[in-house]
Amino acid sequence: EAAVTQSPRSKVAVTGGKVTLSCHQTNNHDYMYWYRQDTGHGLRLIHYSYVADSTEKGDIPDGYKASRPSQENFSLILELASLSQTAVYFCASSDEGAGNTLYFGEGSRLIVV
Amino acid sequence: GDKVKQSPSALSLQEGTNSALRCNFSIAATTVQWFLQNPRGSLINLFYLVPGTKENGRLKSTFNSKESYSTLHIRDAQLEDSGTYFCAAGGGMLSGSFNKLTFGAGTRLAVCP
Repeated sequence: EAAVTQSPRSKVAVTGGKVTLSCHQTNNHDYMYWYRQDTGHGLRLIHYSYVADSTEKGDIPDGYKASRPSQENFSLILELASLSQTAVYFCASSDEGAGNTLYFGEGSRLIVV
Repeated sequence: GDKVKQSPSALSLQEGTNSALRCNFSIAATTVQWFLQNPRGSLINLFYLVPGTKENGRLKSTFNSKESYSTLHIRDAQLEDSGTYFCAAGGGMLSGSFNKLTFGAGTRLAVCP
């Protein structure tokens, strides 16, 4: 049974539209993350959170917001989607920060047209 | 330049042979994680390492923090080992704050019959 689940798994959005990617974890982990993967590249950190109701900027936060309403849920929000945000987005959770093992969701493929 | 550089970028192996993937860090790292992204796109955690060596079945990984590199050895390669292998370095020095991970660009491995 998957411990980190993402929705939607795939989405086509129009430029300028709002997109919300959701993530739910049952690992009871404090840390949650949103990463972006572009074709042929590694993962880059967008936002992360170590406690409910608090989020932190990662390496590439511009154009993205995050929300952590509870320990289990972490959302990534694109208020005005742009073509350059076409990518695969991965949510992950870990215990006590990246010093411990990351557990990833299955990814959400976003295409902005 | 790349803070985490993986080599080779791509590799083709015959079933039953051995190989090694390498990850070099240009920044201080206190931990390393290795992941396999399978052909379906799922990210699977293989190893979490502090300096030292771990082994799991046909896989063995070493992290040398003094010389800033990590290796992943694959023994008796099987078809299901195909995919992209990512290393990621963790440690407070990378971000100046909490110990988030910085990923390499990956090594694409194809195991052929």
